Amino acid sequence: QVHLQESGPGLVKPSETLSLTCTVSGGSISGYYWSWIRQPPGKGLEWIGYIYYSGSTNYNPSLKSRVTISVDTSNNQFSLRLSSVTAADTAVYYCARCIWGRSPRFDHWGQGTLVAVSS
Amino acid sequence: EIVLTQSPGTLSLSPGERATLSCRASQSINSNFLAWYQQTPGQAPRLLIYGASNRATGIPDRFSASGSETDFTLTISRLEPEDFAVYYCQQYGSPWTFGQGTQVEIK
Repeated sequence: QVHLQESGPGLVKPSETLSLTCTVSGGSISGYYWSWIRQPPGKGLEWIGYIYYSGSTNYNPSLKSRVTISVDTSNNQFSLRLSSVTAADTAVYYCARCIWGRSPRFDHWGQGTLVAVSS
Repeated sequence: EIVLTQSPGTLSLSPGERATLSCRASQSINSNFLAWYQQTPGQAPRLLIYGASNRATGIPDRFSASGSETDFTLTISRLEPEDFAVYYCQQYGSPWTFGQGTQVEIK
């Protein structure tokens, strides 16, 4: 069974860069799209971006200037960097696997990790 | 950007009742690109439906969904205690977007 696990600091200072890694186990990172999604406390879900295992990316235009998603196929990991963070970036960050094809869907999710932006 | 508007915001029902949730898109979308997720408190979302009407693996048949173009519906035929949760629709246009969610709460 595929398992995703987010890791990274739970607290980031304003104006700094948020960095998270998602480790995929129980399956290969190859052949899939891998996404980051976030959820501010008490609010809804926001798609941040995705990376294909080959390295191609697509980002939410609202965050594009600050987001970088990268992949490390040798370690079955992909990562998120979000620069110049503010309190508005405080959220639970989820990584998820997306099956593309005729009917795309996020079929596996990590448990999520809370990142707070505060000095 | 395609905006998904879910209604109602909150649905108050009793176990055993039928729940009907709506998701309306600001412009027509490919029904193959519409999915539904369930989220319980403190948990990650779980895939329920993809391609507008296909149940994901392990999802009980009391969950069904339909729709096309701009209007999509998720129906739970008889609510079980574990179904009280927040439900999100999501589309895979550019960019990918989620609806704001419908909370199904116990009446």
